[in-house]
Amino acid sequence: QVQLVQSGAEVKKPGASVKVSCKTSGYTFAPYDIYTSYDINWVRQAPGQGLEWMGWMNPTSSNTGSAQKFQGRVTMTRDTSISTAYMELSSLTSEDTAVYYCARAARGRTPGKTVDYSYHFDYWGQGALVTVSS
Amino acid sequence: SYDLTQPPSVSVSPGQTARISCSGDNLGDRSAYWYQQKPGQSPVVVIYQDAKRPSGIPERFSGSNSGNTATLTISGTQAMDEADYYCQAWDSETVIFGGGTKLTVL
Repeated sequence: QVQLVQSGAEVKKPGASVKVSCKTSGYTFAPYDIYTSYDINWVRQAPGQGLEWMGWMNPTSSNTGSAQKFQGRVTMTRDTSISTAYMELSSLTSEDTAVYYCARAARGRTPGKTVDYSYHFDYWGQGALVTVSS
Repeated sequence: SYDLTQPPSVSVSPGQTARISCSGDNLGDRSAYWYQQKPGQSPVVVIYQDAKRPSGIPERFSGSNSGNTATLTISGTQAMDEADYYCQAWDSETVIFGGGTKLTVL
């Protein structure tokens, strides 16, 4: 069965960086054919708040994309030998205190729609709490 | 940027039908997705591509999407359905989430 297992909770000082890992199993993490690969996305949730999408990475191509808010501050990488994705966030402030989730994205097509690209998250990690405090 | 708007809260009595809306400019032109999140747990997709249910999701969950509004409908709502629900869409290589709706079953 598909599983995404994340690293544990972290406490960081303002200005520091944090790197969260997401170890996957139960499927082929980085297949040769990019069209059969699943992106790994990162979503965070501040205490008592909603879900906030941060960005995606394709394990086969290593291509990435991120929300404008995080551009220049987030780095998404992977180690295909251990089927693990990583998200590093730099220049932390107290506003970065949140639970960080990795999620596998299922892509597809929805004929008949003007925007026919389908993209949603079918499996999620358990979350990693990152606390930024002086 | 593309925005999705959800009501902050919806209340329903057990056994009744709950409807949670998600509004966005011409949302019906793209697929809508719904996630359920219970306290202390990771989100779970309950509806994808507007109206499809993943395996393991009860039949009482259904979805629709037309015009500017997608709707998640829970028929015969049970106490276990009390949770936060988030809609999601894709736009210009970005993922957008609605602000979330807290469903209370009372």
